[in-house]
Order: sequence, then structure tokens, then C-alpha cells
Amino acid sequence: DAGITQSPRYKITETGRQVTLMCHQTWSHSYMFWYRQDLGHGLRLIYYSAAADITDKGEVPDGYVVSRSKTENFPLTLESATRSQTSVYFCASSEWTGGGYGYTFGSGTRLTVV
Amino acid sequence: GQQLNQSPQSMFIQEGEDVSMNCTSSSIFNTWLWYKQEPGEGPVLLIALYKAGELTSNGRLTAQFGITRKDSFLNISASIPSDVGIYFCAGHPTPQTGANNLFFGTGTRLTVIP
Repeated sequence: DAGITQSPRYKITETGRQVTLMCHQTWSHSYMFWYRQDLGHGLRLIYYSAAADITDKGEVPDGYVVSRSKTENFPLTLESATRSQTSVYFCASSEWTGGGYGYTFGSGTRLTVV
Repeated sequence: GQQLNQSPQSMFIQEGEDVSMNCTSSSIFNTWLWYKQEPGEGPVLLIALYKAGELTSNGRLTAQFGITRKDSFLNISASIPSDVGIYFCAGHPTPQTGANNLFFGTGTRLTVIP
């Protein structure tokens, strides 16, 4: 099915481990984003990408790395996981609709760092 | 980073009642989006507003882009149990120059009592 998919849905990892969250979209949208959602903070932007090989930092980028070698994929890597990175992570893609940008979100990855 | 002030934080209403929630910002926004999030899922777009003063409906949902461009309102008429969820406003200051700066409110948690 067309859409935006994230994997895994749930992940438990240990402090200090590297972990990669995957995001794949089938629309060929130019923009892709990674957000984290925490109680009391809503959704906060980690990184975004305007196109393949173009990425930029969002509001809370520290401890995260992204890449975008192909338009459809936008993986997020935690280089050395910390407990403060326990969160729900959402990937989103966006395209200009004529009136403005439309954003579509994946179902999320719930990450627990122990 | 900038966050939108969304109120109320939570609502408990009887089935059949109407619901109103709003979102305000200290700066001007060119786009207002309203999302609904259900447990274990990502936000789903309900209504998008791109012009000041715009009033848009989607079934029982109606949203308005405030004339000052610093606020937006979402109304739900004749609530039903499946309206339960968290509703987020999101604003976009510059839709033509930056798809990255979508700011989210902290959400309104809606509970509908049958």
C-alpha cells in the first residue's frame, strides 16, 4: 500500500548502543521529517530533509544522525542511545499542495532505552 | 523552539455535546493544520487552513484561521465516542520558503462519555 511506514514499531535498547529507526514513503515527497513526541512537549522536530542528500537540523538534533541517499528513505540513527532518548518517534513526509504544505505521519516507533 | 498555546489541555464531555478548542501564537502563521492522534498511531490531518479568515469544514468538524493570523479554532459538533483522541494544532510560518518549520501545540485530550 502507498503511504509512509516506520520500522520497527517497538524497540528496547541498552544505553550506549547504536540504533536505527527506519522510515519509507511511497509518494516521492520531497520533504521528510523526524519528530519525537514526549509528554508535556508535544511534537518536536529532530531533523528534516528537503531532498535526497540534503538534510538539516531541527529543534532537538543532538545525539541523532540522519541520511537520505534515496528520496523514499530517511533513516534516523541514535549513535549512542541515552535514557533521555526514550520517546515515540514519528516520521513524516510533505509536499506542496498548491495552497500550502500537506504533512503525513507514519504510525511511530516507540523506543525505550534501558 | 516555538510552541503554540493550545487550550484546553483536556476535555470530558457527554456524547452529543459540541466541542471547541483553540490555538494561539505570539507570531504570525501562514498555515494552520489540525490533527487527531489516536493511541498507538501517528497524527492524522483533519483540516488544513491556508488563508486568514478561512472557515473550513470536514463533516462535523469546522476550523477557522483567525483574522489576526495568530490563532485558530476547531469545533466538533454533536460529539460521538470515536471522537476520543488527542487533537493537535500545528502552524507553519513560511509555507513557501521552509517546509521545516511546522510548530505543534501540546494537544487537547478529548474524552467523550457515552
